[in-house]
Amino acid sequence: GAVVSQHPSRVICKSGTSVKIECRSLDFQATTMFWYRQFPKKSLMLMATSNEGSKATYEQGVEKDKFLINHASLTLSTLTVTSAHPEDSSFYICSAPLAGSLYEQYFGPGTRLTVT
Amino acid sequence: KQEVTQIPAALSVPEGENLVLNCSFTDSAIYNLQWFRQDPGKGLTSLLLIQSSQREQTSGRLNASLDKSSGRSTLYIAASQPGDSATYLCAAGGQGAQKLVFGQGTRLTINP
Repeated sequence: GAVVSQHPSRVICKSGTSVKIECRSLDFQATTMFWYRQFPKKSLMLMATSNEGSKATYEQGVEKDKFLINHASLTLSTLTVTSAHPEDSSFYICSAPLAGSLYEQYFGPGTRLTVT
Repeated sequence: KQEVTQIPAALSVPEGENLVLNCSFTDSAIYNLQWFRQDPGKGLTSLLLIQSSQREQTSGRLNASLDKSSGRSTLYIAASQPGDSATYLCAAGGQGAQKLVFGQGTRLTINP
């Protein structure tokens, strides 16, 4: 089946620094990717839709200047958490639907971000 | 705005039992309903996807049903095994189908 990877799997950074998380579709092209955030023992919350070649679409309440998204190619989307604070500590998961498919969507393994 | 709720939040049963996990959604205008499994600290594994025109889907010991009119879906697990222990998430695909609204999950523990 299709595979989506994320890098890094875990990252610890200090307050005020920026962290970049990569999401790659390994064997298929994805014009759209989704970024989710998951708090401990909570569900996934959609943060934004990453669109190849255009600006990302952010969900209500998500700061676009805080969470920068760049969909550089048909296989890569990046999420940069800028000026990170401890409250940004969370599990970030990306997903990518198969191009042309409404239903088949593949999730990455997630990135655990801890801001100290 | 779609809201998805899963009950119970946690469930612990002995090995071998059949069990049902529940998922309810507020907006019946869904395109699909998906069930996922998440192991601790890991990503999501898709288990079953029910399109809005379908009533149920089966895969091995898993059976998922969908009743759009009542806003409910169930995941039935037969002959549970310790390896089934995980958090199970349901998600409703609405307009644009690819955008999913997740429930809070049910943390399942199967005791040997």
